Amino acid sequence: NAGVTQTPKFQVLKTGQSMTLQCAQDMNHEYMSWYRQDPGMGLRLIHYSVGAGITDQGEVPNGYNVSRSTTEDFPLRLLSAAPSQTSVYFCASSYSIIVAGGPRLNEQFFGPGTRLTVL
Amino acid sequence: KNQVEQSPQSLIILEGKNCTLQCNYTVSPFSNLRWYKQDTGRGPVSLTIMTFSENTKSNGRYTATLDADTKQSSLHITASQLSDSASYICVVSGTGGGNKLTFGTGTQLKVEL
Repeated sequence: NAGVTQTPKFQVLKTGQSMTLQCAQDMNHEYMSWYRQDPGMGLRLIHYSVGAGITDQGEVPNGYNVSRSTTEDFPLRLLSAAPSQTSVYFCASSYSIIVAGGPRLNEQFFGPGTRLTVL
Repeated sequence: KNQVEQSPQSLIILEGKNCTLQCNYTVSPFSNLRWYKQDTGRGPVSLTIMTFSENTKSNGRYTATLDADTKQSSLHITASQLSDSASYICVVSGTGGGNKLTFGTGTQLKVEL
């Protein structure tokens, strides 16, 4: 198992450019998420998906798009990069187990991260 | 507002010593609490997950405790090693699924010779 993989590891963009951060997992997990990590702040959820074809917004979705055409892949698209999007981006996946009161996540597996700089 | 606060912000200890990291949360309703270890330049890796009914859980030299009444958790590291140098992140999950995780800002631990 490769786990959760992310590409690229590093990227520098100019303001206004677009790009796609790739994320893939080979564990057949239903849940996938994108987070950003900024200095002095906890990880913040950008978008998440509960299965192929289903996505939803997290805490900080503006400026980002996602799609989930397969269970394995969950790309994150920056439509028009801005300096405020300079951050480290992590993709995560997990499977859910059902407990009394509704489904809950099991442990999340994180990718190695993509360090993005927008000039 | 759901919040997770960790203390101390940073900590330096000598190799072989023990240490305890603290986590206080205000997340409600509560589902589970997780501790992650994040090495520099890498993604977080899960150490423990505890539900409401669990008050202690161990993973090797790491022992987490949970007091759901006072909404506090601690992570105790025994006989520290240089490889324990990392950021330790407390994460609290509310009920309802993947969009309900609240992350702390982490405690940066450095283990020195």
